[in-house]
Amino acid sequence: GNSVTQMEGPVTLSEEAFLTINCTYTATGYPSLFWYVQYPGEGLQLLLKATKADDKGSNKGFEATYRKETTSFHLEKGSVQVSDSAVYFCALSDLQKLVFGTGTRLLVSP
Amino acid sequence: DAMVIQNPRYQVTQFGKPVTLSCSQTLNHNVMYWYQQKSSQAPKLLFHYYDKDFNNEADTPDNFQSRRPNTSFCFLDIRSPGLGDAAMYLCATSRGGQGASNQPQHFGDGTRLSIL
Repeated sequence: GNSVTQMEGPVTLSEEAFLTINCTYTATGYPSLFWYVQYPGEGLQLLLKATKADDKGSNKGFEATYRKETTSFHLEKGSVQVSDSAVYFCALSDLQKLVFGTGTRLLVSP
Repeated sequence: DAMVIQNPRYQVTQFGKPVTLSCSQTLNHNVMYWYQQKSSQAPKLLFHYYDKDFNNEADTPDNFQSRRPNTSFCFLDIRSPGLGDAAMYLCATSRGGQGASNQPQHFGDGTRLSIL
């Protein structure tokens, strides 16, 4: 079946550092791919998405490119802020449902 | 703003005492989902409604039920909560239909359920 694998956290960075959170997927066909962010005590918010190969999703300085050849959708940000501290979930669409990765906690210190 | 609203944000119930969590949406989405999320884990889908059609996940315990009286509202009923049911419960919506796999799910802020 379809699955998503994320790098384990926590990822600990200093403010203004470069961020990469790895995400790879296994799927039949060509699913849409998503990154969601969850701040403490809140629900999940859509951060960005990509619907086909080579699409780049971007939002709030975060980017991810749908790489079919490597089945990856890595999340990147050039300069993280303390306010980016949260849990990040990579997900793919499977018919009407989402398949989530296990989540990666990001901690950014001043 | 259009959104998904869950009430209450925090719910405390007693072991074995039925509890109902509610979700409403102003997005006019035809698909509504209920997830259970335990600490440091990804959300786990319990069931979803596609319009009025109920779709249960195979591993969802019978203790969990749901109702969707209209497009805007959906309820999660836990008939006899056990200690293991303490979790965050998330409601989400999406637009179903052709091309639906491109559509993201929109989440509420969740209800944190505690069992005494």
